[in-house]
Amino acid sequence: EAGVAQSPRYKIIEKRQSVAFWCNPISGHATLYWYQQILGQGPKLLIQFQNNGVVDDSQLPKDRFSAERLKGVDSTLKIQPAKLEDSAVYLCASSYQPGLNEKLFFGSGTQLSVL
Amino acid sequence: SQQGEEDPQALSIQEGENATMNCSYKTSINNLQWYRQNSGRGLVHLILIRSNEREKHSGRLRVTLDTSKKSSSLLITASRAADTASYFCAPISGTYKYIFGTGTRLKVLA
Repeated sequence: EAGVAQSPRYKIIEKRQSVAFWCNPISGHATLYWYQQILGQGPKLLIQFQNNGVVDDSQLPKDRFSAERLKGVDSTLKIQPAKLEDSAVYLCASSYQPGLNEKLFFGSGTQLSVL
Repeated sequence: SQQGEEDPQALSIQEGENATMNCSYKTSINNLQWYRQNSGRGLVHLILIRSNEREKHSGRLRVTLDTSKKSSSLLITASRAADTASYFCAPISGTYKYIFGTGTRLKVLA
C-alpha cells in the first residue's frame, strides 16, 4: 500500500513570509495528525483531524498556523507569517481510526528553514 | 493524554551488543507503542504491547511492560549499524493521543 505522502520535502523562506505544506494520508485512514519536530526534540502534536473535523488543536498557534482537511482526505498546514522559531520538520501521520491498538503511519516530513 | 519519558537520552554501543532503553509514564494506559526515527525521516512503528501483556517479541526486538511501575523497556539484541536512530515510546490511554517525548538517540558503532 502507498504510504503517507508529504510535499514539499524542503522549504526555505524568510521570516514574515507564508508557507504551506501538503499531506495525503493512506487511503481509507480517517485520522490525520500534524506534528512539529524541532531539532533535537520529539514530535509535538499540532492538530488532529477525524475525517474532516478537528479533534484537538490545543497546541496549534492559531494566530499564525492554520490547517484544513477538506473532504476528509488530504490536508494542508499553513504558516502565515513565519517566524524564525518555526524552523522545524513538519510531520504528517495517519491512522485507520482512533481506537485501541491503532498505530500511526508517518510521512517523511517537510523540513522548513526560516531565515 | 500523556507523554512518555525515554531514558537514557543517548546511548552508544558497539555493533553486536544489545541496546536497552526505557520509557516511563504517569497514568494508566491501554497500550504502549515504540517507534523508530532514522535521521531526516518520519517515525516508523516498531511494536505495540497491550496493558495486559508483560512481554512481546518481534524479530530482534523485545519489549516489556510493567504497569505497576508504569514503565516499559525496549531491548534490541545483536545491534547493527542500521539500528542507529532515535527511539520514541507513546503510552496510549483512552483519549488515543500520541504524545512523544524527546526519545533515546541510539548510535551503533561498526
